[in-house]
Amino acid sequence: GESVGLHLPTLSVQEGDNSIINCAYSNSASDYFIWYKQESGKGPQFIIDIRSNMDKRQGQRVTVLLNKTVKHLSLQIAATQPGDSAVYFCAEILSHDMRFGAGTRLTVKP
Amino acid sequence: EPEVTQTPSHQVTQMGQEVILRCVPISNHLYFYWYRQILGQKVEFLVSFYNNEISEKSEIFDDQFSVERPDGSNFTLKIRSTKLEDSAMYFCASSEFRARDSPLHFGNGTRLTVT
Repeated sequence: GESVGLHLPTLSVQEGDNSIINCAYSNSASDYFIWYKQESGKGPQFIIDIRSNMDKRQGQRVTVLLNKTVKHLSLQIAATQPGDSAVYFCAEILSHDMRFGAGTRLTVKP
Repeated sequence: EPEVTQTPSHQVTQMGQEVILRCVPISNHLYFYWYRQILGQKVEFLVSFYNNEISEKSEIFDDQFSVERPDGSNFTLKIRSTKLEDSAMYFCASSEFRARDSPLHFGNGTRLTVT
Protein backbone atom coordinates (compact mmCIF):
# COMPACT_ATOMS: atom_id res chain seq x y z
CA GLY A 1 0.00 0.00 0.00
CA GLU A 2 1.07 3.62 -0.62
CA SER A 3 -0.02 6.91 0.87
CA VAL A 4 0.36 10.36 -0.56
CA GLY A 5 1.20 12.17 2.63
CA LEU A 6 -1.07 15.03 3.54
CA HIS A 7 -3.86 14.05 1.13
CA LEU A 8 -4.21 10.51 2.48
CA PRO A 9 -3.70 10.62 6.23
CA THR A 10 -4.55 6.93 6.70
CA LEU A 11 -3.01 3.82 5.24
CA SER A 12 -4.32 0.32 5.75
CA VAL A 13 -2.22 -2.70 4.81
CA GLN A 14 -2.39 -6.46 5.24
CA GLU A 15 0.00 -8.05 7.69
CA GLY A 16 3.09 -9.18 5.81
CA ASP A 17 2.74 -6.64 3.01
CA ASN A 18 5.17 -3.81 2.49
CA SER A 19 4.09 -0.28 3.44
CA ILE A 20 5.13 2.98 1.86
CA ILE A 21 4.46 6.22 3.69
CA ASN A 22 5.15 9.47 1.89
CA CYS A 23 5.91 12.96 3.08
CA ALA A 24 6.44 16.29 1.36
CA TYR A 25 8.70 18.64 3.27
CA SER A 26 8.62 22.37 2.99
CA ASN A 27 12.09 23.89 3.19
CA SER A 28 14.65 23.20 0.48
CA ALA A 29 17.40 24.24 2.91
CA SER A 30 16.57 21.44 5.37
CA ASP A 31 19.47 19.04 5.50
CA TYR A 32 18.47 16.41 8.03
CA PHE A 33 15.28 14.36 8.10
CA ILE A 34 13.84 11.91 10.59
CA TRP A 35 10.94 9.49 10.63
CA TYR A 36 9.14 9.09 13.94
CA LYS A 37 6.52 6.57 15.01
CA GLN A 38 3.87 7.56 17.53
CA GLU A 39 1.77 4.95 19.24
CA SER A 40 -1.39 5.86 21.09
CA GLY A 41 -0.66 7.64 24.38
CA LYS A 42 3.08 7.81 23.78
CA GLY A 43 5.60 10.31 22.53
CA PRO A 44 7.21 10.17 19.08
CA GLN A 45 9.77 7.40 18.80
CA PHE A 46 12.80 7.68 16.52
CA ILE A 47 12.82 5.19 13.64
CA ILE A 48 15.43 6.27 11.12
CA ASP A 49 17.15 9.40 9.87
CA ILE A 50 18.81 10.56 6.68
CA ARG A 51 20.98 13.51 5.74
CA SER A 52 20.61 15.50 2.57
CA ASN A 53 23.84 14.15 1.11
CA MET A 54 22.20 10.72 0.85
CA ASP A 55 19.18 9.53 -1.10
CA LYS A 56 18.63 6.20 0.64
CA ARG A 57 19.25 4.72 4.03
CA GLN A 58 18.29 1.31 5.35
CA GLY A 59 17.58 0.10 8.83
CA GLN A 60 16.02 -3.02 10.22
CA ARG A 61 12.91 -3.61 8.05
CA VAL A 62 12.77 0.12 7.22
CA THR A 63 14.16 2.16 4.36
CA VAL A 64 14.03 5.91 3.95
CA LEU A 65 14.27 7.51 0.52
CA LEU A 66 14.97 11.18 -0.03
CA ASN A 67 14.28 13.06 -3.25
CA LYS A 68 15.58 16.59 -2.83
CA THR A 69 14.52 17.64 -6.31
CA VAL A 70 10.85 17.39 -5.40
CA LYS A 71 11.27 17.73 -1.62
CA HIS A 72 9.88 14.30 -0.96
CA LEU A 73 10.64 11.73 1.70
CA SER A 74 9.30 8.20 1.99
CA LEU A 75 9.42 5.44 4.58
CA GLN A 76 9.21 1.87 3.44
CA ILE A 77 8.38 -0.82 5.99
CA ALA A 78 9.02 -4.37 4.88
CA ALA A 79 6.77 -7.24 6.00
CA THR A 80 4.48 -4.97 8.03
CA GLN A 81 3.46 -6.36 11.41
CA PRO A 82 0.55 -5.51 13.74
CA GLY A 83 3.04 -3.76 16.03
CA ASP A 84 3.76 -1.31 13.24
CA SER A 85 0.28 0.19 13.59
CA ALA A 86 0.84 3.79 14.64
CA VAL A 87 0.98 7.33 13.29
CA TYR A 88 4.15 8.06 11.35
CA PHE A 89 5.57 11.55 11.14
CA CYS A 90 8.36 12.84 9.00
CA ALA A 91 10.38 15.69 10.45
CA GLU A 92 12.75 18.14 8.82
CA ILE A 93 15.52 19.88 10.66
CA LEU A 94 16.80 23.34 9.93
CA SER A 95 19.14 25.15 12.31
CA HIS A 96 18.00 24.82 15.94
CA ASP A 97 14.73 23.01 15.74
CA MET A 98 12.78 20.22 14.16
CA ARG A 99 9.41 20.59 12.48
CA PHE A 100 6.99 17.73 12.01
CA GLY A 101 4.81 16.94 9.04
CA ALA A 102 1.11 16.15 9.41
CA GLY A 103 1.48 12.40 9.90
CA THR A 104 0.00 9.25 8.40
CA ARG A 105 -1.91 6.66 10.40
CA LEU A 106 -0.86 3.15 9.48
CA THR A 107 -3.28 0.33 10.31
CA VAL A 108 -2.15 -3.26 9.85
CA LYS A 109 -4.89 -5.80 9.27
CA PRO A 110 -4.26 -9.36 10.47
CA GLU B 1 18.03 2.58 27.31
CA PRO B 2 17.94 6.07 28.86
CA GLU B 3 14.72 7.94 28.35
CA VAL B 4 13.09 11.31 28.80
CA THR B 5 10.60 11.32 31.65
CA GLN B 6 7.73 13.74 32.11
CA THR B 7 5.48 14.48 35.06
CA PRO B 8 2.62 14.54 35.62
CA SER B 9 1.14 12.33 32.94
CA HIS B 10 -2.14 14.22 33.18
CA GLN B 11 -2.80 17.69 34.55
CA VAL B 12 -6.24 19.25 34.88
CA THR B 13 -6.42 22.95 35.62
CA GLN B 14 -8.91 25.77 35.55
CA MET B 15 -8.69 28.56 32.99
CA GLY B 16 -6.47 31.38 34.24
CA GLN B 17 -4.40 29.17 36.53
CA GLU B 18 -0.66 28.68 36.20
CA VAL B 19 0.74 25.25 35.41
CA ILE B 20 4.26 23.89 35.41
CA LEU B 21 5.06 20.83 33.36
CA ARG B 22 8.19 18.97 34.32
CA CYS B 23 10.71 16.98 32.36
CA VAL B 24 13.89 15.11 33.13
CA PRO B 25 15.92 14.92 29.90
CA ILE B 26 18.45 12.20 29.16
CA SER B 27 21.41 12.89 31.40
CA ASN B 28 24.18 13.55 28.87
CA HIS B 29 21.98 15.60 26.55
CA LEU B 30 22.58 19.32 26.22
CA TYR B 31 19.69 20.50 24.04
CA PHE B 32 16.11 20.58 25.25
CA TYR B 33 12.78 21.16 23.57
CA TRP B 34 9.07 21.47 24.17
CA TYR B 35 6.48 20.45 21.61
CA ARG B 36 2.72 20.25 21.85
CA GLN B 37 0.08 18.18 20.09
CA ILE B 38 -3.55 19.19 20.05
CA LEU B 39 -5.76 16.10 19.85
CA GLY B 40 -5.72 14.61 16.37
CA GLN B 41 -3.25 17.13 14.99
CA LYS B 42 0.45 17.14 14.24
CA VAL B 43 3.18 17.73 16.76
CA GLU B 44 4.06 21.46 16.87
CA PHE B 45 7.35 23.01 17.91
CA LEU B 46 7.26 25.40 20.86
CA VAL B 47 10.80 26.14 21.97
CA SER B 48 14.39 24.92 22.00
CA PHE B 49 16.82 25.58 24.84
CA TYR B 50 20.56 25.33 25.11
CA ASN B 51 23.17 26.64 27.51
CA ASN B 52 20.50 28.12 29.77
CA GLU B 53 18.84 30.20 27.14
CA ILE B 54 16.20 29.89 24.46
CA SER B 55 17.68 29.08 21.05
CA GLU B 56 14.52 29.32 19.04
CA LYS B 57 10.80 29.66 19.68
CA SER B 58 7.69 29.44 17.56
CA GLU B 59 4.83 31.88 17.25
CA ILE B 60 2.86 29.68 19.68
CA PHE B 61 5.40 30.38 22.44
CA ASP B 62 4.11 33.79 23.50
CA ASP B 63 4.57 35.73 26.74
CA GLN B 64 2.35 33.27 28.61
CA PHE B 65 4.99 30.58 28.21
CA SER B 66 8.38 30.30 29.84
CA VAL B 67 11.00 27.60 30.24
CA GLU B 68 13.57 27.00 32.90
CA ARG B 69 16.29 24.59 33.83
CA PRO B 70 16.20 25.10 37.58
CA ASP B 71 18.86 22.52 38.38
CA GLY B 72 21.09 20.01 36.64
CA SER B 73 18.36 17.56 35.81
CA ASN B 74 14.95 19.20 35.36
CA PHE B 75 13.57 21.21 32.47
CA THR B 76 10.21 22.91 32.98
CA LEU B 77 7.54 24.59 30.91
CA LYS B 78 5.36 27.14 32.66
CA ILE B 79 2.10 28.48 31.32
CA ARG B 80 1.28 31.60 33.28
CA SER B 81 -2.46 31.92 32.75
CA THR B 82 -3.93 28.93 30.99
CA LYS B 83 -6.56 29.24 28.26
CA LEU B 84 -8.96 26.60 27.01
CA GLU B 85 -6.97 26.36 23.77
CA ASP B 86 -3.85 25.36 25.72
CA SER B 87 -5.41 21.93 26.21
CA ALA B 88 -3.06 19.52 24.45
CA MET B 89 -0.36 16.91 24.94
CA TYR B 90 2.94 18.55 25.78
CA PHE B 91 6.07 16.65 24.86
CA CYS B 92 9.54 17.31 26.16
CA ALA B 93 12.51 16.20 24.08
CA SER B 94 16.26 16.26 24.38
CA SER B 95 19.21 15.68 22.09
CA GLU B 96 22.89 15.11 22.69
CA PHE B 97 23.93 17.62 20.05
CA ARG B 98 21.98 20.31 18.24
CA ALA B 99 18.90 19.22 16.31
CA ARG B 100 20.65 19.16 12.95
CA ASP B 101 23.31 16.76 14.24
CA SER B 102 21.44 14.25 16.36
CA PRO B 103 17.87 12.98 16.70
CA LEU B 104 15.53 14.23 19.37
CA HIS B 105 14.33 11.77 21.99
CA PHE B 106 10.84 12.38 23.32
CA GLY B 107 9.09 11.70 26.59
CA ASN B 108 5.59 10.24 26.72
CA GLY B 109 4.03 13.62 27.33
CA THR B 110 1.79 15.43 29.78
CA ARG B 111 -1.85 15.70 28.85
CA LEU B 112 -3.00 19.17 29.90
CA THR B 113 -6.73 19.73 30.20
CA VAL B 114 -7.91 23.29 30.81
CA THR B 115 -11.50 23.58 32.01
